Amino acid sequence: NAGVMQNPRHLVRRRGQEARLRCSPMKGHSHVYWYRQLPEEGLKFMVYLQKENIIDESGMPKERFSAEFPKEGPSILRIQQVVRGDSAAYFCASSPRQGADTEAFFGQGTRLTVV
Amino acid sequence: GENVGLHLPTLSVQEGDNSIINCAYSNSASDYFIWYKQESGKGPQFIIDIRSNMDKRQGQRVTVLLNKTVKHLSLQIAATQPGDSAVYFCAETLKAAGNKLTFGGGTRVLVKP
Repeated sequence: NAGVMQNPRHLVRRRGQEARLRCSPMKGHSHVYWYRQLPEEGLKFMVYLQKENIIDESGMPKERFSAEFPKEGPSILRIQQVVRGDSAAYFCASSPRQGADTEAFFGQGTRLTVV
Repeated sequence: GENVGLHLPTLSVQEGDNSIINCAYSNSASDYFIWYKQESGKGPQFIIDIRSNMDKRQGQRVTVLLNKTVKHLSLQIAATQPGDSAVYFCAETLKAAGNKLTFGGGTRVLVKP
């Protein structure tokens, strides 16, 4: 029973390039959450998606960032025209349904480095 | 408040001793709280949770205490082991917000043999 799978684990991009981060939720989970973590800090909520729907994107920067969770395939967090400040660890979590008492399982993260 | 990139507070504890990690949460309306453990290079791992209608919950070697009056949460680890060395985060949420979690700043625990 595979957990939440994120790839790549490490991603290096030059300034101005695009970064695509993928998240495959646990089997049977239809709710996905993306978080960003800067070094020595806690995780910050970015976006909450269900299949084909964005439920809450209140933590997403207004420009350059987008997320999707298509009917088939993984959830994608896309960062266009990356800047050095985008360097961080990006974590995805999934849960089977909405509800705070439903445990969300985290993936191992993608560490993005912008050079 | 927002963490502005300061180094994490560190708790050094002797192997076998008990550890207490504290957390101040921000939203008095939060009704569900969780402690996570994060090892280097890994994602957060669920440890224990507590609802706002409780003030104490026990798990295996861990106890979470909730004081809503002062918006304070603590995690007690009994007989700390080397494998407990990690960064520990508290998180809060509203049931209506699902798993949209607000994380605290974290505490690094170092277990000395």
